[in-house]
Amino acid sequence: QKEVEQNSGPLSVPEGAIASLNCTYSDRGSQSFFWYRQYSGKSPELIMFIYSNGDKEDGRFTAQLNKASQYVSLLIRDSQPSDSATYLCAHQGGTSYGKLTFGQGTILTVHP
Amino acid sequence: GAVVSQHPSRVICKSGTSVKIECRSLDFQATTMFWYRQFPKQSLMLMATSNEGSKATYEQGVEKDKFLINHASLTLSTLTVTSAHPEDSSFYICSAGDLGLGEQFFGPGTRLTVL
Repeated sequence: QKEVEQNSGPLSVPEGAIASLNCTYSDRGSQSFFWYRQYSGKSPELIMFIYSNGDKEDGRFTAQLNKASQYVSLLIRDSQPSDSATYLCAHQGGTSYGKLTFGQGTILTVHP
Repeated sequence: GAVVSQHPSRVICKSGTSVKIECRSLDFQATTMFWYRQFPKQSLMLMATSNEGSKATYEQGVEKDKFLINHASLTLSTLTVTSAHPEDSSFYICSAGDLGLGEQFFGPGTRLTVL
């Protein structure tokens, strides 16, 4: 079982719709969870991080964490073509302070 | 967020040469920096953790004698790919973190092409 698994893509949504990206993880000791966006040929940029169970909202983005289910998700409301990118889920394990383990990424395409 | 720079952004070299990549944290001090490698259409794979003033910690399968890491100061870490070969061609990305919050900020990456 991979440490971090993301829903297989690519995911295509129309402009203005909600895009839902999902991620499960295997390490119950994981404490911090991150969503990064990566445009082609560029390095990842941090969108959001979440530590506590529940929802965390930042503008059009909402991260949801359920530690009991070992599940973290990212919702993008009012999706824009500029949101088209690869989205990477990552966690920091409790035994490896600071190290990020990434999922394989989900390609999102928002079409006009 | 914090700013991390990398230099060079792109390098093309002949097989057998060594290439040095610099990673700098511009507006904060980073006791720990991380080096990742990303092959086309794949996710980021951690290569090593670079600790200021001490030896780097390498991930399983990463040759420490081939990928030399030096973290000489709180704002600079370098990765040297020694005797590079075509299979080392990849996108190398460093990151530095504010460990108090756990966030990591990534440099812009270095595209290495070995001919």
